[in-house]
Amino acid sequence: AQSVTQPDIHITVSEGASLELRCNYSYGATPYLFWYVQSPGQGLQLLLKYFSGDTLVQGIKGFEAEFKRSQSSFNLRKPSVHWSDAAEYFCAVASYNNNDMRFGAGTRLTVKP
Amino acid sequence: DAGVIQSPRHEVTEMGQEVTLRCKPISGHDYLFWYRQTMMRGLELLIYFNNNVPIDDSGMPEDRFSAKMPNASFSTLKIQPSEPRDSAVYFCASSWGRSSYEQYFGPGTRLTVT
Repeated sequence: AQSVTQPDIHITVSEGASLELRCNYSYGATPYLFWYVQSPGQGLQLLLKYFSGDTLVQGIKGFEAEFKRSQSSFNLRKPSVHWSDAAEYFCAVASYNNNDMRFGAGTRLTVKP
Repeated sequence: DAGVIQSPRHEVTEMGQEVTLRCKPISGHDYLFWYRQTMMRGLELLIYFNNNVPIDDSGMPEDRFSAKMPNASFSTLKIQPSEPRDSAVYFCASSWGRSSYEQYFGPGTRLTVT
């Protein structure tokens, strides 16, 4: 079964600094990969997704992620973080024709002024 | 569209009571998912429906939990009897199309069982 590991429980960055959130997946075939963001008291919102093709995917709010099969990773990046990016970020994996999406434990992002 | 609607937003109940959580998916979506989020276990898929039919309920923790989807615009998750360990945030999400993973989440229901 597929699974996701987010090694960092909590990350703090300064506003304007770059950001990278790590995600490693375990799945035998080509995975479908996602990043979601959850603001306090809110549901999850999809930031971006990877199904196939170009390994660098662009998402909303200036985020991007890169799929690296050799490293089983799908790290999320943003060149310049804004205070409004403070939230919990979840990486998720699913397989073709299977709606059983598995979420990582999440990484909480704090943005310092 | 108003997005996925869940009610109530907060529920506090005593152990042993019946709890019913409600969800209205986005109009036109044919998949509906129920998730539970806790600090200890993270976000877990409980059950999902396709065209109002339960497809996979392997995530439902035990027989005290049941879910129904009587029509395309309404679903319920019921816990009877409730226990303190059921305290969590319960999310409903919906999506459209086979293998569509762009799930739209509701704001969640925070359940506290005392």
